[in-house]
Amino acid sequence: GENVEQHPSTLSVQEGDSAVIKCTYSDSASNYFPWYKQELGKGPQLIIDIRSNVGEKKDQRIAVTLNKTAKHFSLHITETQPEDSAVYFCAPSNAGNMLTFGGGTRLMVKP
Amino acid sequence: DGGITQSPKYLFRKEGQNVTLSCEQNLNHDAMYWYRQDPGQGLRLIYYSQIVNDFQKGDIAEGYSVSREKKESFPLTVTSAQKNPTAFYLCASSTPGLLLNEQFFGPGTRLTVL
Repeated sequence: GENVEQHPSTLSVQEGDSAVIKCTYSDSASNYFPWYKQELGKGPQLIIDIRSNVGEKKDQRIAVTLNKTAKHFSLHITETQPEDSAVYFCAPSNAGNMLTFGGGTRLMVKP
Repeated sequence: DGGITQSPKYLFRKEGQNVTLSCEQNLNHDAMYWYRQDPGQGLRLIYYSQIVNDFQKGDIAEGYSVSREKKESFPLTVTSAQKNPTAFYLCASSTPGLLLNEQFFGPGTRLTVL
């Protein structure tokens, strides 16, 4: 099965700084790479995703970059705000809508 | 409003009791999923269903059971055989197809065994 690791497990940044979270995966057949945000006591919500035929995707302050050769993809958040504080999960997938979640990264944005 | 609802939000049970968690969606999605989340950890798949009257075990199905009699509903029963049931349970749904798609999550049910 897919082995997924996220780094770092916790990340603390000052408001306005950038944050980067990296996700490594083991299955070379993976072709869908989403990032989910989970706020305290709530279900995860998709914030950005990328497919294997694209190297980078950007949506306002967030972006995802993919390196299929090295089997990792990263979430980039620029100009961080306190409301970005949450737990972020990567969840690569190779088929059938089955996601394999990483262990999560707790992001804390200090005002 | 379209979405996924889970009830109850908090659930307490005594050891040895079975309990059923509700999950309903009005998104007209064919696929539904149940995940378990322990503190500080990621989500682990318990069961999933790609179509009505069919479901498959996920990575940690032991001690759990499900049914899928209606497209909108996918209840999860936590049985007394589950050794450590205290956790946060999340239900999700998606539209399966050739392209992998977003899974939409409910608000979760926090189960505590007393």
